[in-house]
Amino acid sequence: DTEVTQTPKHLVMGMTNKKSLKCEQHMGHRAMYWYKQKAKKPPELMFVYSYEKLSINESVPSRFSPECPNSSLLNLHLHALQPEDSALYLCASSQDKGGGNEQFFGPGTRLTVL
Amino acid sequence: GENVEQHPSTLSVQEGDSAVIKCTYSDSASNYFPWYKQELGKGPQLIIDIRSNVGEKKDQRIAVTLNKTAKHFSLHITETQPEDSAVYFCVRSGNQGGKLIFGQGTELSVKP
Repeated sequence: DTEVTQTPKHLVMGMTNKKSLKCEQHMGHRAMYWYKQKAKKPPELMFVYSYEKLSINESVPSRFSPECPNSSLLNLHLHALQPEDSALYLCASSQDKGGGNEQFFGPGTRLTVL
Repeated sequence: GENVEQHPSTLSVQEGDSAVIKCTYSDSASNYFPWYKQELGKGPQLIIDIRSNVGEKKDQRIAVTLNKTAKHFSLHITETQPEDSAVYFCVRSGNQGGKLIFGQGTELSVKP
């Protein structure tokens, strides 16, 4: 299994809602990532988890809260988002977080904040 | 700095022609340079990568060259096909483990 899966594919939420994005991989990878991608822009790194511990937080607002319950799962909890947070949220994984490891991306969750 | 400069931003070619995308960077510490292809509605997929101890790498119709002295690397696609139409990102490894620095992307359109 060389796939990263993400659910849901699409999500529409109001600014007062609480929702979660989920990501799963069964490749035995020990590094997992969240990226945000706006239309016609490259992915921007948000968080890196290594061996289930938060390794990098790219100064992301606290309304985004990541969680790594085990080595196969990565969640992104959303609360009190703003319309400008609407974007494609991509999850990725790699063997470990060392430079030179291929990152495998999931298909993304298209988020719309009303 | 961190940025990767990528050109052109859009590229339109006829089926069968070659396509070339060029990138430059400034951080000499980078040693891993992957290229990702992103089709509409999908996540980026690695198509080829090159490491700093290699000057050129080829995989069927795709080739990548790296000039570490000049700090630039390029993607070459030969005999383009309509299914090559996508956005291509050049990427370099960042200073923090796991961090990738993406170029701004090239939207390639292959016309039948």
